[in-house]
Amino acid sequence: GAVVSQHPSRVICKSGTSVKIECRSLDFQATTMFWYRQFPKQSLMLMATSNEGSKATYEQGVEKDKFLINHASLTLSTLTVTSAHPEDSSFYICSAKGGDGTQYFGPGTRLLVL
Amino acid sequence: AQSVTQLDSQVPVFEEAPVELRCNYSSSVSVYLFWYVQYPNQGLQLLLKYLSGSTLVKGINGFEAEFNKSQTSFHLRKPSVHISDTAEYFCAVSGRNRDDKIIFGKGTRLHILP
Repeated sequence: GAVVSQHPSRVICKSGTSVKIECRSLDFQATTMFWYRQFPKQSLMLMATSNEGSKATYEQGVEKDKFLINHASLTLSTLTVTSAHPEDSSFYICSAKGGDGTQYFGPGTRLLVL
Repeated sequence: AQSVTQLDSQVPVFEEAPVELRCNYSSSVSVYLFWYVQYPNQGLQLLLKYLSGSTLVKGINGFEAEFNKSQTSFHLRKPSVHISDTAEYFCAVSGRNRDDKIIFGKGTRLHILP
């Protein structure tokens, strides 16, 4: 089956630093990837849609200068949380869309900002 | 635009008993339907999907779901649950175009009682 990986799985950083999270589709190409944020005991909140070779489309209320998304290839999208603050602590999940329209999800990245 | 309703936020069920998790959707266009499972501190794993064809869809771990267009439902069932099925289950819907987003329900927590 289609596999999506995320790296790192867990990261702890100091307030003010930037953190980069990678999302890779391992055995298929994905022209569209998505980035989500999940708060405890809640559903996923879509942050942005990432299209290969073009700018990401951000959901309302998501700061594009805060959450930088790059989709440089058909198998890699990155999310950079710039100048992270404690309120950015969360579980970040990416997904990649397969050719049949199914979204396959990564295992998530737990970010803790001290 | 699509929407998904999972009426039950929590469902307790005894081990080896059958379970049904309800999902209703609304959409003005044809859709794809999905069920995902999320174990603690993990990403989402695809259980099953309906893209077209037979309305009864079988997935992994003994789960199945039936697409009912007239009732706009896609309920998830398992004839006999195990303690390992304890998790959060998300129903989701998306349009059939490449750039269509996936819309999630709020999730149903399945509690397996010994």
